[in-house]
Amino acid sequence: AQSVTQPDIHITVSEGASLELRCNYSYGATPYLFWYVQSPGQGLQLLLKYFSGDTLVQGIKGFEAEFKRSQSSFNLRKPSVHWSDAAEYFCAVGTNNNDMRFGAGTRLTVKP
Amino acid sequence: EAQVTQNPRYLITVTGKKLTVTCSQNMNHEYMSWYRQDPGLGLRQIYYSMNVEVTDKGDVPEGYKVSRKEKRNFPLILESPSPNQTSLYFCASSLWGGPNNEQFFGPGTRLTVL
Repeated sequence: AQSVTQPDIHITVSEGASLELRCNYSYGATPYLFWYVQSPGQGLQLLLKYFSGDTLVQGIKGFEAEFKRSQSSFNLRKPSVHWSDAAEYFCAVGTNNNDMRFGAGTRLTVKP
Repeated sequence: EAQVTQNPRYLITVTGKKLTVTCSQNMNHEYMSWYRQDPGLGLRQIYYSMNVEVTDKGDVPEGYKVSRKEKRNFPLILESPSPNQTSLYFCASSLWGGPNNEQFFGPGTRLTVL
């Protein structure tokens, strides 16, 4: 069955430091992968997505993610975190059953 | 403005009292979906709809009903709410169904069942 694992429940980084959020997926076919961000009290906003082609994808707000088929991973990165990046981040995989499976989320805290 | 709206945003109710959470989108999307979000579990799909009059169960459909009589609306119905349905609910829509379509999310409805 399709599933997504985000191993880190909570991550704290200092403002200006680099960030990497981990995501591993389990899916038999070519995955359609997404990263969403949820700011406090808000709905989810799409950061970026991967369907095919270049395995390094660029998204909004300076985020990027790299698809690694051999590791079944789709980690999210940002070179320099801003205080406004504090939020919860969700990795998701789109399936051929017309649903979307989400990971449990990683909450990011940014220290001044 | 293109958006998904949900009402109410907050609701406190009691066990057994039927309630409906409305969802509407103005993007002419075919696909709509309901999720619940619980701490440590992420978002889990309740029901989805590929088009008008077409609905299917997601991962956690028990205790919920939906209907899709018009393309823009996809209400979530709790006939007899129970405390284990206390959660944060999101409605989402996308242009089409299928695995490669970005979903647009509403702002969420926080439901408490006492």
